Amino acid sequence: DAMVIQNPRYQVTQFGKPVTLSCSQTLNHNVMYWYQQKSSQAPKLLFHYYDKDFNNEADTPDNFQSRRPNTSFCFLDIRSPGLGDAAMYLCATSRRLSIRADTQYFGPGTRLTVL
Amino acid sequence: ILNVEQSPQSLHVQEGDSTNFTCSFPSSNFYALHWYRWETAKSPEALFVMTLNGDEKKKGRISATLNTKEGYSYLYIKGSQPEDSATYLCAFLKNSGGYQKVTFGIGTKLQVIP
Repeated sequence: DAMVIQNPRYQVTQFGKPVTLSCSQTLNHNVMYWYQQKSSQAPKLLFHYYDKDFNNEADTPDNFQSRRPNTSFCFLDIRSPGLGDAAMYLCATSRRLSIRADTQYFGPGTRLTVL
Repeated sequence: ILNVEQSPQSLHVQEGDSTNFTCSFPSSNFYALHWYRWETAKSPEALFVMTLNGDEKKKGRISATLNTKEGYSYLYIKGSQPEDSATYLCAFLKNSGGYQKVTFGIGTKLQVIP
């Protein structure tokens, strides 16, 4: 089945130690998104890629970066994780940039713990 | 900051009971509203895409209505079953300069007790 895959499902890192989360998709969708969901909060969009075009949300901290080397893969890099970055990180895709009449397709998330 | 509110944040119902919950959103610049179901340890899965005022969508025992003028959507589950236990998220899409801005609610966590 075509899907969105996130690895690892659980990631533990140390304060200040760089960490990379991975997302891959077999849907051949043009758009890939990264969301952060902290405990008891709504998922919050960090950035998205439309093909190779990167779009950062205005309030996404500089500590968060992303790479999309090809259509299938997208990475979230956290350069110096702080305790406040502990969260569930969700990757999603969509066929087009406009999802008015479409939906996003989500991976199961990576839960990041920062010690 | 867009306020997308979901209520209640959690609820427990007995198997067989019907239930409903609410997603409230700003009534201006409405573009679309999406409902997702997120079961524990799985991926959020799309339930409904709603774009027009008065839309009513149905999938099995689950249905949703949309009122864009007053800024709310209701999700109904008829005859709840244990497999309906999940967090139900709504996502409000606002038209923002040719691109939509997606804002999620915090979700309603439903537990159906056998």
